[in-house]
Amino acid sequence: GQQVMQIPQYQHVQEGEDFTTYCNSSTTLSNIQWYKQRPGGHPVFLIQLVKSGEVKKQKRLTFQFGEAKKNSSLHITATQTTDVGTYFCAGPRSNDYKLSFGAGTTVTVRA
Amino acid sequence: NAGVMQNPRHLVRRRGQEARLRCSPMKGHSHVYWYRQLPEEGLKFMVYLQKENIIDESGMPKERFSAEFPKEGPSILRIQQVVRGDSAAYFCASSPRDRRSGNTGELFFGEGSRLTVL
Repeated sequence: GQQVMQIPQYQHVQEGEDFTTYCNSSTTLSNIQWYKQRPGGHPVFLIQLVKSGEVKKQKRLTFQFGEAKKNSSLHITATQTTDVGTYFCAGPRSNDYKLSFGAGTTVTVRA
Repeated sequence: NAGVMQNPRHLVRRRGQEARLRCSPMKGHSHVYWYRQLPEEGLKFMVYLQKENIIDESGMPKERFSAEFPKEGPSILRIQQVVRGDSAAYFCASSPRDRRSGNTGELFFGEGSRLTVL
């Protein structure tokens, strides 16, 4: 079955630094979604990418969808304490609807 | 506009008891998904329901687990004869669209029900 993998599993970042987390699928995705879950909270939708090679920005967050539509990345610049949480990517297989979630990248920030 | 409502937020059961988790989707949403999350793990799909229909229950264990979404009232995830391995956070999510058509927009998640089995 489809597998969505994220690396790294944990990201410890100094406040103000940049980092990138990666998402890879074993199958082609019709789209990729990113969610953020704060500690003790619930997943909240961040963004959806649909087109091959698409890049979208939300303030300090940059999301990219790979050309082959099998991988994606999230880059955060000038990390802040509000960025703490677990970032999940999720994608359905082509012509499918079940979202398969990666295991997430858990981000902690050192002030 | 209320979001996805789940209750109870926390539930403690002893082995062998039953757990019932309820989910009211966002207003206007008729598609409900249940996901299970173990500590420090991702979200595992369990079941996809529309009103009065189970569309896909491929992620739900065949025994002890059942789900429904009646015409009136919330969706219910029922776990019979709970075991310690059932301890997890159970998230419900809703969507306004029939995702089988390929309109895979965002899912709106509830705050989850955290089940602890003693």
